[in-house]
Amino acid sequence: QSALTQPASVSGSPGQSITISCTGTSSDVGGYNYVSWYQQHPGKVPKLMIYDVTNRPSGVSDHFSGSKSGNTASLTISGLQAEDEADYYCSSYTNSGTWVFGGGTKLTVL
Amino acid sequence: QVQLVQSGAEMKKPGASVKVSCKASGYTFTSYYIHWVRQAPGQSLEWMGTINPSGGGKTYAQKFQGRVTMTRDTSTSTVYMEVSSLRSEDTAVYYCARVRDGDYYSFDYWGQGAMVTVSS
Repeated sequence: QSALTQPASVSGSPGQSITISCTGTSSDVGGYNYVSWYQQHPGKVPKLMIYDVTNRPSGVSDHFSGSKSGNTASLTISGLQAEDEADYYCSSYTNSGTWVFGGGTKLTVL
Repeated sequence: QVQLVQSGAEMKKPGASVKVSCKASGYTFTSYYIHWVRQAPGQSLEWMGTINPSGGGKTYAQKFQGRVTMTRDTSTSTVYMEVSSLRSEDTAVYYCARVRDGDYYSFDYWGQGAMVTVSS
C-alpha cells in the first residue's frame, strides 16, 4: 500500500487560508469516506483534527475543515494562526482492511 | 480520563526483537480497537496494524507481516507489539492509538510513544 500523496510544505500569513491536499486512489481515499487528518507539533503526539472527511472532534477549532473530491481529500485552515504551524498528516481506510497515512505536510505561518 | 501509557525507550542490536507495551485506562478496554503507528526520525507516520482487544483479532500492514506480532492481556488492559529481526530502518518512535468513540476509522487517543533505537 503506497502512502497517500501530500505536498511537502505549504505556507501562509496570519489570517489567510490554506489548503492541504491528500491524493490517493479509488482503493482508499476515493472509495471510502474514512479520511482523517492529524496535527503534530514538533516532539509531540499526533492530534486528531478531522474524521470521516468532514467532521471535527469536540474541542477542535471550527477554522479547520475537511472535504473530498474523487481520490483527493483536502484540509482547509482558515484564519491562520501562529499556533497552527505544525506537520499535518492525512490517513485513509483502504479496501484491504488496512490504513494508510500520507507523507505529511509542513505548514509554516509566515 | 482515557490514557494510554507506553513502555520506555529501548536500544537493541540488529537482529534482535523488541516488545512495546501500551496500558489502557479510563475506559472499557475491550470496546475499542488499538492501532500501532510508527514514525522514523524526521519521517511521516506509518500504520503498522491493529488489534481487537475483545477477541484478539489482528490485521497487519503487508510490510510487517511475519515480523510484527500484536497481543493483548485483558486482565491488565495492556496491548503489546513485538517486532522481530530488527534492522536500523526500524529505529523510530512507536505509538499506540485508540479508535475514536463511535467510530472505527480514526484515532483520538495516543500513547506518549516509545523510542526504539536499533544500532550495533
